[in-house]
Amino acid sequence: GAGVSQSPSNKVTEKGKDVELRCDPISGHTALYWYRQSLGQGLEFLIYFQGNSAPDKSGLPSDRFSAERTGGSVSTLTIQRTQQEDSAVYLCASRSGQGRAGEQYFGPGTRLTVT
Amino acid sequence: GNSVTQMEGPVTLSEEAFLTINCTYTATGYPSLFWYVQYPGEGLQLLLKATKADDKGSNKGFEATYRKETTSFHLEKGSVQVSDSAVYFCALSGNQGAQKLVFGQGTRLTINP
Repeated sequence: GAGVSQSPSNKVTEKGKDVELRCDPISGHTALYWYRQSLGQGLEFLIYFQGNSAPDKSGLPSDRFSAERTGGSVSTLTIQRTQQEDSAVYLCASRSGQGRAGEQYFGPGTRLTVT
Repeated sequence: GNSVTQMEGPVTLSEEAFLTINCTYTATGYPSLFWYVQYPGEGLQLLLKATKADDKGSNKGFEATYRKETTSFHLEKGSVQVSDSAVYFCALSGNQGAQKLVFGQGTRLTINP
């Protein structure tokens, strides 16, 4: 079956512009995560959705970052007024809601470059 | 808070050599432990996991044992192949709530023929 997909695969934007990154999780997966992979910070958690709710937003680095999920499926991560330090690969993962320590399946990522 | 520390890379080995990548963790409670792998040009994928003390995870010839007494989850393989060249990440998650992953910094492994 289809895995987690993300779009766009690459995004180059100018400092100060807003960007939207999209994630399509595996069908039926109720849990969805956003992570960021950067040279300086490694892989870090941003936000977690269970259904359409986000009970854990503790990893969002500033109020310029927001995310939503609709229909228990697609999620969008929005970065407003982008800064150069936002340059990173943004990864989405989904997990079946069943059980303990279930596997998170990762998408290929969106590489964001802020110039 | 929870954290994971991996051995510094990069690691370069010859084919058929023995591999160990060290991983230690700090966590409250009883986390689950994972090794993820990122092959060149591909996304992160789960290699193996262990959910309680003394469990051994294994896959593709790789093994790791959950050692609570030493808070470690070292990755081992008896005979590496060129195709094992990748970046390896040790990670942990809690077992309730978000179950978000906390990753180590990653270890780049290169296997030469």
